[in-house]
Amino acid sequence: DAGVIQSPRHEVTEMGQEVTLRCKPISGHDYLFWYRQTMMRGLELLIYFNNNVPIDDSGMPEDRFSAKMPNASFSTLKIQPSEPRDSAVYFCASSLFGSRDYTDTQYFGPGTRLTVL
Amino acid sequence: AQKITQTQPGMFVQEKEAVTLDCTYDTSDPSYGLFWYKQPSSGEMIFLIYQGSYDQQNATEGRYSLNFQKARKSANLVISASQLGDSAMYFCAMRASGTGFQKLVFGTGTRLLVSP
Repeated sequence: DAGVIQSPRHEVTEMGQEVTLRCKPISGHDYLFWYRQTMMRGLELLIYFNNNVPIDDSGMPEDRFSAKMPNASFSTLKIQPSEPRDSAVYFCASSLFGSRDYTDTQYFGPGTRLTVL
Repeated sequence: AQKITQTQPGMFVQEKEAVTLDCTYDTSDPSYGLFWYKQPSSGEMIFLIYQGSYDQQNATEGRYSLNFQKARKSANLVISASQLGDSAMYFCAMRASGTGFQKLVFGTGTRLLVSP
């Protein structure tokens, strides 16, 4: 089975530009999570969805960040306008509630390394 | 509030030896799950092992085992017969029912270096 797919893997942009990160969760999973990882703050949960509906966006840093999940197989995280402090690795993860092994494990994508100059 | 503490920023071990990575957690919820993830230098987050709060036995997955001491609120990862490919960052994480059961809280990680 294909794992979580993220694109692009690397993104370099200039301050003020719009950045869109994309994620395709594992087929059949009903939860999708967006995380950000930096040296200073570690792994932070930004937002998560259940059945395409945002459940908790309390981790989204500010209004410049937005996330959507138009269908069960696609989600985007958008930063507009981007700033140098947004430079980080952004991970998408998905899980299945009530998974057969009862763990509801989150499986991560390979991440997108974002650099804002 | 849920919290995960990993007190070892770095650990060194020789190939073929066993190593224990420490993890303590704090939660008042009776139902929770504990996870370990591996992050090699390539950056991906790889799920290793899971322990549920009601599980009677310690979890094992191949060379990975979890030393779960509920009264002490610790969930240490034991890697047996270390290999060079085990060199990576290791994160302990917890999911608890009190703050949205699906949310994971991560520790700061332990960097493991396996030497020949």
